[in-house]
Amino acid sequence: QSALTQPASVSGSPGQSITISCTGTSSDVGSYNLVSWYQEHPGKAPKLMIYEGSKRPSGVSNRLSGSKSGNTASLTISGLQAEDEADYFCCSYAGSSTFVFGTGTKVIVL
Amino acid sequence: QVQLVESGGGVVQPGRSLRLSCAASGFTFSSYPFHWVRQAPGKGLEWLAVISSVGSTIAYADSVKGRFTISRDDSRNTLYLQTTSLRADDTAIYYCAMEKDIRSSFDYWGQGTLVTVSS
Repeated sequence: QSALTQPASVSGSPGQSITISCTGTSSDVGSYNLVSWYQEHPGKAPKLMIYEGSKRPSGVSNRLSGSKSGNTASLTISGLQAEDEADYFCCSYAGSSTFVFGTGTKVIVL
Repeated sequence: QVQLVESGGGVVQPGRSLRLSCAASGFTFSSYPFHWVRQAPGKGLEWLAVISSVGSTIAYADSVKGRFTISRDDSRNTLYLQTTSLRADDTAIYYCAMEKDIRSSFDYWGQGTLVTVSS
């Protein structure tokens, strides 16, 4: 149950696109289409932004999109806005009812 | 509306125990699986445990297996996490989270309760 690997930080200017990677193994990300992504602002509880790899819950901006290739999932934020500055965590189902989170990525809007 | 409210956190000495609670309202509690997730100060999220509806399936992260116990009381609409043999590295905000409308994802979270393990 090792944490999924994410870059510590990703930055971009307003209007640009950024992509956050989430690398796991063939036992978690690679085996299931059950990667979710969470946005966390300081002092707030995490918020679900993407589920099942690429689906957006109701109310989440369509500027966010998710994908997966092999053992790596990705979250892309297009048209970056100041409100997107936050921490982002991926999470994958890992079998036997267990889950594993990523190490987290701080998105910085320049 | 869905509400999850954690309680029971505080300062506790190493080796001691603490029971965390998560009171739920606004939906049929017994129908859904629940999880505990924690976040150490300045660190990332760590999934800890899950209990299915009716409690038939329970699973733990290796880091807490044997020390923490998840349970639920559907008559009280409350989720619990019994923590024992607490260590300094258990210091964290503990969140309850649920899979409600979206399975295998945590679409509702509580506000968290802070546990500080210190002598």
